[in-house]
Amino acid sequence: AQSVSQHNHHVILSEAASLELGCNYSYGGTVNLFWYVQYPGQHLQLLLKYFSGDPLVKGIKGFEAEFIKSKFSFNLRKPSVQWSDTAEYFCAVTLSGAGSYQLTFGKGTKLSVIP
Amino acid sequence: GAGVSQSPSNKVTEKGKDVELRCDPISGHTALYWYRQSLGQGLEFLIYFQGNSAPDKSGLPSDRFSAERTGGSVSTLTIQRTQQEDSAVYLCASSLVRDRETQYFGPGTRLLVL
Repeated sequence: AQSVSQHNHHVILSEAASLELGCNYSYGGTVNLFWYVQYPGQHLQLLLKYFSGDPLVKGIKGFEAEFIKSKFSFNLRKPSVQWSDTAEYFCAVTLSGAGSYQLTFGKGTKLSVIP
Repeated sequence: GAGVSQSPSNKVTEKGKDVELRCDPISGHTALYWYRQSLGQGLEFLIYFQGNSAPDKSGLPSDRFSAERTGGSVSTLTIQRTQQEDSAVYLCASSLVRDRETQYFGPGTRLLVL
């Protein structure tokens, strides 16, 4: 079965700092990759997704992620964080094809941005 | 439009009691999913509905867990004889069948079993 690892449990940054959250998955086949965000008191929202094509994916709110197949990674980046980015971030993967609906999530990374 | 809604938002129950959790998907979304987020764990898949049928129940942790969906809309997740390890946040999501990878999540039901 596939699995997802998020390296950092809690990241604390000052406003305007650059962000990179690590995500690695274990599966040898073709996958779809996702980043979800959960703001305090709100439900999970899709930030961005990668199915195929350009490995650099741009999402909402200035976030982007790069799929590096050789490293089984899909790291999330943002050049300059804001206080409003304080949230928990989840990386997820599905298999391409018949099992494409079953999201497997990492344990999440909590981001705290200090004004 | 309205998003996925779930009720109740919080539920406290005693060990051994049965509980029902409700999910109301986005109108027109034929696909519906239940996930569970236990303390310190990532979200884990429980069950997938396409219409009223559940072609994938592989994530249900035991036979105490069951789910149904009626009218292709509202779904109910039932946990019988609850145990303390059932304490978790239960999330529902829905999607279009043709775009099952893009799932919209509800706010979740936080279940605490005492």
